[in-house]
Amino acid sequence: AQSVTQPDIHITVSEGASLELRCNYSYGATPYLFWYVQSPGQGLQLLLKYFSGDTLVQGIKGFEAEFKRSQSSFNLRKPSVHWSDAAEYFCAVGGYNQGGKLIFGQGTELSVKP
Amino acid sequence: DVKVTQSSRYLVKRTGEKVFLECVQDMDHENMFWYRQDPGLGLRLIYFSYDVKMKEKGDIPEGYSVSREKKERFSLILESASTNQTSMYLCASSQTAYEQYFGPGTRLTVT
Repeated sequence: AQSVTQPDIHITVSEGASLELRCNYSYGATPYLFWYVQSPGQGLQLLLKYFSGDTLVQGIKGFEAEFKRSQSSFNLRKPSVHWSDAAEYFCAVGGYNQGGKLIFGQGTELSVKP
Repeated sequence: DVKVTQSSRYLVKRTGEKVFLECVQDMDHENMFWYRQDPGLGLRLIYFSYDVKMKEKGDIPEGYSVSREKKERFSLILESASTNQTSMYLCASSQTAYEQYFGPGTRLTVT
């Protein structure tokens, strides 16, 4: 079955510390992978995406993610977290045979300590 | 920039009322989606549409219907609102298999 797992429901990091949010997927074909961020009471904003090519992708707001096919993972990283990064983060997977549908993970809520 | 707008940010309705949630996108996208988001359950797909007048059920279509008469507009209809439909509703659009762009959401409360 196709699925996305974000193992961490809630993470707290100190401002200035590095961040890694985990995402594992199960998908039968070539995956298209996405990370979205949602601030409280808002819609989802696309942070970055992977379709093919270089497995390390850069996104907005200083985020990057690495696609590891052997581990079925697409972890999100940021070297130095800012207080404004506090939000909920969603990983999603889709593909050309999905007709545009995406499968979302449950989300990871990030809190940032001053 | 892609813009997806939703008709209301906050909505309060009574049980049994018919509720319309409207979504408009300005990028000529083929696909449009309606999700509901609840704490601990993530995003769940209600319905999606890949063309005008075309629709397909998502994971939780019960109690909902949709309408897509024009390419840019996708409406979600709650035929008879119930308290268990209190939720955040998110609309999104996409071009073929690529990234989805989301609206700001409508927080619906049914009393």
